[in-house]
This record gives sequence, structure tokens and C-alpha cells, in this order.
Amino acid sequence: NAGVMQNPRHLVRRRGQEARLRCSPMKGHSHVYWYRQLPEEGLKFMVYLQKENIIDESGMPKERFSAEFPKEGPSILRIQQVVRGDSAAYFCASSPSGQGATEAFFGQGTRLTVV
Amino acid sequence: KQEVTQIPAALSVPEGENLVLNCSFTDSAIYNLQWFRQDPGKGLTSLLLIQSSQREQTSGRLNASLDKSSGRSTLYIAASQPGDSATYLCAVRGSQGNLIFGKGTKLSVKP
Repeated sequence: NAGVMQNPRHLVRRRGQEARLRCSPMKGHSHVYWYRQLPEEGLKFMVYLQKENIIDESGMPKERFSAEFPKEGPSILRIQQVVRGDSAAYFCASSPSGQGATEAFFGQGTRLTVV
Repeated sequence: KQEVTQIPAALSVPEGENLVLNCSFTDSAIYNLQWFRQDPGKGLTSLLLIQSSQREQTSGRLNASLDKSSGRSTLYIAASQPGDSATYLCAVRGSQGNLIFGKGTKLSVKP
């Protein structure tokens, strides 16, 4: 049973380009969470999705950022018109449900560098 | 709004020492609390999950306790080894479903 898979592991984009980060949850998991980690800082919650639904996007910047988790395929975090401040590690986690006694498992992250 | 604090921010100990990492949270209405380990440049590895109804969980040399009413958890590491060097993160899951993280404790175990 493969763990949470994120790709690419490293992504370099020029300012103004688009970044697409992909996350495949563990088998049987229908809940996905995205986090951002800046150097020397903790993980900041961005968005919580269930298949075809956004449950909580309170941590998402209002502009340029969007996320989806379609019925088929991985969850996608999309950043349009990237700026230097978007450089960070982006982590995805999955769990079998969104409440109660469920453990979250994390991927290895995508390290985005904006040049 | 839930806030999670971890103390100390960094800790350096000689090999073989027992140590305690602390985590506190402001809202006691949590479903569970999870301790993670993060190595430099890597993802998060889940160490222990404590349900809100539990007082502690153990895995090998690790023991985590939870006092929900006072908003505290501790991670006890016995007989520390250089391989334990990493950043340890505490996270709580509340009614909204997502995990809220502390900033972590960076542990260094010297041979």
C-alpha cells in the first residue's frame, strides 16, 4: 500500500508562471489536506478537500491559489502567476475520514522555488 | 481559534538521555492529537496518535501523554540516540477536521 504520493518533488518556476502540484492520497482515503511550510516556520493549513468538494479553504490566499480533488485522479493545488513569496514546501496529507479517530498521513512534499 | 505551542523550540542533549517535549493547545475541544517527526528536507512521519478519550500512547522508546482538560501533551523519548535528531511536530485535530500544527521542537542528540 503506497503512501501519499506528491509530485513533482522539486519545482522551479519563473515569476508569473503557473505551478501545479499533485497529490495522490493513500488507497482508500477520500480526504485530502494541503499545507505550506516556510523556512524555519511551522506548517500552515491551506485547504481541506473531499472528493469533488472543498470542505474548508480558510487558509487559502484569496487570489491566485486554487485546489481541486476530482472524482478520478489526484488532488491538484494550482498557483497562478507565482511570486517569490510563494517559494515554500507544500505538503499534502490524507486520511480515511475527516473526523474523529482518524490518523493523517503526509507525503514527502513539493519544494517550489520561484526565480 | 485554536493555537498550538511547542516548548522548547530547540533542544540539544547527549546520547542516552531521556527527554520530554511539550505541546500545549488553547481549545480543548479536539478529536485527537498527533506527534510527527520531520527530517531536514523531508516529509512528516507520524509517530503517535492519541484520541481525545485516551491518556497516553506508547511506541517503542516513545511515550505520548494527553491531558485534554489542561490543553497539554508531552512526548517522552527514552534513551535518546543520534538517529532521533529531527524536528518534532505536534498537531491537534478539531471539529473543523484539519490539523493545526505547532512550530516544532528541533532536537539534536550528540554522540
